[in-house]
Amino acid sequence: AQKITQTQPGMFVQEKEAVTLDCTYDTSDQSYGLFWYKQPSSGEMIFLIYQGSYDEQNATEGRYSLNFQKARKSANLVISASQLGDSAMYFCAMRWGWEGGRRALTFGSGTRLQVQP
Amino acid sequence: GAVVSQHPSWVICKSGTSVKIECRSLDFQATTMFWYRQFPKQSLMLMATSNEGSKATYEQGVEKDKFLINHASLTLSTLTVTSAHPEDSSFYICSAAPPGPSAFFGQGTRLTVV
Repeated sequence: AQKITQTQPGMFVQEKEAVTLDCTYDTSDQSYGLFWYKQPSSGEMIFLIYQGSYDEQNATEGRYSLNFQKARKSANLVISASQLGDSAMYFCAMRWGWEGGRRALTFGSGTRLQVQP
Repeated sequence: GAVVSQHPSWVICKSGTSVKIECRSLDFQATTMFWYRQFPKQSLMLMATSNEGSKATYEQGVEKDKFLINHASLTLSTLTVTSAHPEDSSFYICSAAPPGPSAFFGQGTRLTVV
């Protein structure tokens, strides 16, 4: 079965500190892509970062980095120097195969991050 | 990044009426678009895959006669909730992907059926 698991329903972090949001996945496929999205209270899904299964280096986008451990099937999101505006719901998602836009994403249950001043 | 636009952002309708939601890819062509539904405090669940020029593919448990999908052009997919009932109240959000590894979402539509 192909599944995405986020085990942290909620996380707290102090402003300016780093935080790691966990994500594990289960698949027998060799080709897949891993995504992280931020969903503020407005509901929009903001794309943060992408990691391909064959990418040898961990993806980074500004304050976001993805700690990709293929053997462990984990794709944790690291947010450095947290800001109050980072408070939101965060979803890990996966897309199987190399068909790009022709495949839907499967989402984890999400982690609610609250940044405290 | 690529832009996906969804309208309306919110809608309130009476039970028994139909509601149409539009999803547009603004700067790329999308032969495939996806419709998801999100209930409060839950994750996004795929409802259906919209294919330009052909029938949509629905996930198990999603009534195709209730959730009509039309993908008439390479930049527009519509989801029509027919004979809406209060249990259809939810957050509906579409997604599309330009060539490459990314995937973008519309702003979402909050549907309330009264």
